[in-house]
Amino acid sequence: ELKVEQNPLFLSMQEGKNYTIYCNYSTTSDRLYWYRQDPGKSLESLFVLLSNGAVKQEGRLMASLDTKARLSTLHITAAVHDLSATYFCAVDMWKGGSEKLVFGKGTKLTVNP
Amino acid sequence: NAGVMQNPRHLVRRRGQEARLRCSPMKGHSHVYWYRQLPEEGLKFMVYLQKENIIDESGMPKERFSAEFPKEGPSILRIQQVVRGDSAAYFCASSPHPNTEAFFGQGTRLTVV
Repeated sequence: ELKVEQNPLFLSMQEGKNYTIYCNYSTTSDRLYWYRQDPGKSLESLFVLLSNGAVKQEGRLMASLDTKARLSTLHITAAVHDLSATYFCAVDMWKGGSEKLVFGKGTKLTVNP
Repeated sequence: NAGVMQNPRHLVRRRGQEARLRCSPMKGHSHVYWYRQLPEEGLKFMVYLQKENIIDESGMPKERFSAEFPKEGPSILRIQQVVRGDSAAYFCASSPHPNTEAFFGQGTRLTVV
């Protein structure tokens, strides 16, 4: 059974600082997603990572994927308050003709002025 | 092209009542997934449906929960005899094909009182 672990689960950082969120998963997968969720809202898709060594960047966020290590990272550069949200990684799982996303527990990020 | 539409957005039910949650996928999408998010948790897969077929219901509780995706009309997640533990956000996602990115709706927040 695929397990997805994120760390840290809670992250409080100051504006202007850099930090990395880690996402480890237990079995092979072809696709990994990063989502952002604001309180009471739906999921906003940030990145889709499809292959080993994939790196994608959007603004202050950069995501990477190492399929051999079964590790993805979400790096935050020079954080700003607007980045405060909960970030989830999710791994696509195929089994027996079915497909589902397996989510990590999320990292609640608070960026303080 | 409208996104994935879920209704109602908020639903309050007394214990023992029935809850019906609706999901209209994006136009051209025939694959629907339901996920449940408990407070302060990640999303957990419940069921995967294609038109008129349940592909995978391995994440559905064995009792009281059912899902359908008829030939015409939205997908329905039905919870009979709700209990307080059913209080959660229920998200629907849709995709045009398997192994492609699924897009999430705004969710239905169910509160059982």
